[in-house]
Amino acid sequence: AQKITQTQPGMFVQEKEAVTLDCTYDTSDQSYGLFWYKQPSSGEMIFLIYQGSYDEQNATEGRYSLNFQKARKSANLVISASQLGDSAMYFCALNTGNQFYFGTGTSLTVIP
Amino acid sequence: DAGVIQSPRHEVTEMGQEVTLRCKPISGHDYLFWYRQTMMRGLELLIYFNNNVPIDDSGMPEDRFSAKMPNASFSTLKIQPSEPRDSAVYFCASSFQRRPGAGELFFGEGSRLTVL
Repeated sequence: AQKITQTQPGMFVQEKEAVTLDCTYDTSDQSYGLFWYKQPSSGEMIFLIYQGSYDEQNATEGRYSLNFQKARKSANLVISASQLGDSAMYFCALNTGNQFYFGTGTSLTVIP
Repeated sequence: DAGVIQSPRHEVTEMGQEVTLRCKPISGHDYLFWYRQTMMRGLELLIYFNNNVPIDDSGMPEDRFSAKMPNASFSTLKIQPSEPRDSAVYFCASSFQRRPGAGELFFGEGSRLTVL
């Protein structure tokens, strides 16, 4: 069964605007973690943000925030004040049962 | 910390040759993962280790692939013999699980393999 779903293959955003990248997940575990990674054209996988299933507040890291809606099983990434350097692939991941499950990614393009 | 270190960064080889990819995880991490990424198949988990013991190798495509972790600071992924369809970026990643679901996964820079 698919654990992570990213329904947006590609997204465009105007520079300085905010953008939301969608992610839904499926697990029956009570303890799990949700992650977002950025993969620029250079290829490396960069850890952006983490949300634990027991965390009551949404995680934030600089311009990145994770909109965690547990009942809906969604963990959307919000990037505020987009910059040209944000153009990249973004992957959502679920950590459960000591394994990590990745979505298919969303390609974000920031338009000047 | 130096992060996850992979070598080589790039490898070009001919079909039939043996390829060995190397990984040094972050010190103190108890999980190590090998992934393969292609345009067609995305990011695929090949195998993962816990405390140097292979836990799940169901993602290893065939017997030509093997992975070892002789100690906590070193792992190898070997392909013998290599085939053109093995061309991909191979990532090593490590994690420390504080509790189930609470362990950030850190990736190496990847090894880009091209088999001619």
